[in-house]
Amino acid sequence: ETGVTQTPRHLVMGMTNKKSLKCEQHLGHNAMYWYKQSAKKPLELMFVYSLEERVENNSVPSRFSPECPNSSHLFLHLHTLQPEDSALYLCASSQDWAAGEQFFGPGTRLTVL
Amino acid sequence: GENVEQHPSTLSVQEGDSAVIKCTYSDSASNYFPWYKQELGKRPQLIIDIRSNVGEKKDQRIAVTLNKTAKHFSLHITETQPEDSAVYFCAASISGGSNYKLTFGKGTLLTVNP
Repeated sequence: ETGVTQTPRHLVMGMTNKKSLKCEQHLGHNAMYWYKQSAKKPLELMFVYSLEERVENNSVPSRFSPECPNSSHLFLHLHTLQPEDSALYLCASSQDWAAGEQFFGPGTRLTVL
Repeated sequence: GENVEQHPSTLSVQEGDSAVIKCTYSDSASNYFPWYKQELGKRPQLIIDIRSNVGEKKDQRIAVTLNKTAKHFSLHITETQPEDSAVYFCAASISGGSNYKLTFGKGTLLTVNP
């Protein structure tokens, strides 16, 4: 598959569960991003990775833990989430960080019960 | 930090009319302004962008203008078509050196009525 892919596309979890979101980009990009998209709120940038190093963490609660094992893969580990964390989580990539077009994945629709 | 205001939140136009969406930003250091289109149930996609050294950019029916003094930028869509119906997001970005910030507006739901 080309572009940016995300799995799973839908996830329902309880507040005590631990789950992970996965993102993969097939574009040869050096930067990857996690966004949160909630209803009636702007897209919120959560984390930025450049060449597998985290370069931005926008005051995200520690119950969200990112991991970037290589420049093609990005994970978001979730634990002890709250119902207000229910949202669409979008992954994106760009050729280099802080520059130019970002290509988004289809997102993971997360529901926290 | 940066604050991006986007107006209107909803916009309804007749097919063939023009649509204008406006955004303001607060941080004068912002130097890159992309616009993304998100159709229902789909991912956001870049439609046009502008950098702070340019005042206007056009791509077929879409144009973006930037006024650095007033710290606002606008998206103009001419000859609208039903397939232009979507949510449009503006964003302001500061990039350079080791610093990177990207802030999105809340989005504008554009409906083009046939």
